[in-house]
Amino acid sequence: KAGVTQTPRYLIKTRGQQVTLSCSPISGHRSVSWYQQTPGQGLQFLFEYFSETQRNKGNFPGRFSGRQFSNSRSEMNVSTLELGDSALYLCASSRPPGTEAFFGQGTRLTVV
Amino acid sequence: KQEVTQIPAALSVPEGENLVLNCSFTDSAIYNLQWFRQDPGKGLTSLLLIQSSQREQTSGRLNASLDKSSGRSTLYIAASQPGDSATYLCAVRPNTDKLIFGTGTRLQVFP
Repeated sequence: KAGVTQTPRYLIKTRGQQVTLSCSPISGHRSVSWYQQTPGQGLQFLFEYFSETQRNKGNFPGRFSGRQFSNSRSEMNVSTLELGDSALYLCASSRPPGTEAFFGQGTRLTVV
Repeated sequence: KQEVTQIPAALSVPEGENLVLNCSFTDSAIYNLQWFRQDPGKGLTSLLLIQSSQREQTSGRLNASLDKSSGRSTLYIAASQPGDSATYLCAVRPNTDKLIFGTGTRLQVFP
């Protein structure tokens, strides 16, 4: 059984650019959440999607956005990148919301 | 506002020891609690999920307990091995949408 797949694994972007990260959940899982992990702030919740609807959003600026497709795959987008956006971005999937969360390997974003 | 604290921040033990990792949270109104491990530069691996109505869960050498009234959970690792070396994260779910993570305990088990 395939796990949560995140692509790409590594990204290097320049300040001011935008980036799109992708997450494919475990088959049959319909809830997808995104988290940002940094050494200073730890793991912080970005947003959660279920049935193509955003159910909750964390305390991040509007530059961070996401969406979910009808096949439950999700993307998150960060526009006008800042140096402080450098982080490991992790995606988690659950069968229905609130059940056991399974995480992908993450996308390491470096902004230079 | 829910806050999650993990003590100790780091732990170094010889192989074979039994370990207890602690997690405390400020708001006892939780939906469930989940323990994860994270290897350097990698994603999170789910270890145990405890529903708010449960007192403990076991998986192999791991046992997690939950005391909602006191806002505490412990992860017990029996007969530790070098392969257990990782960062252990506790996360509480206030409702069905997000996880709130602690800062983790970095464990090193040496031969």
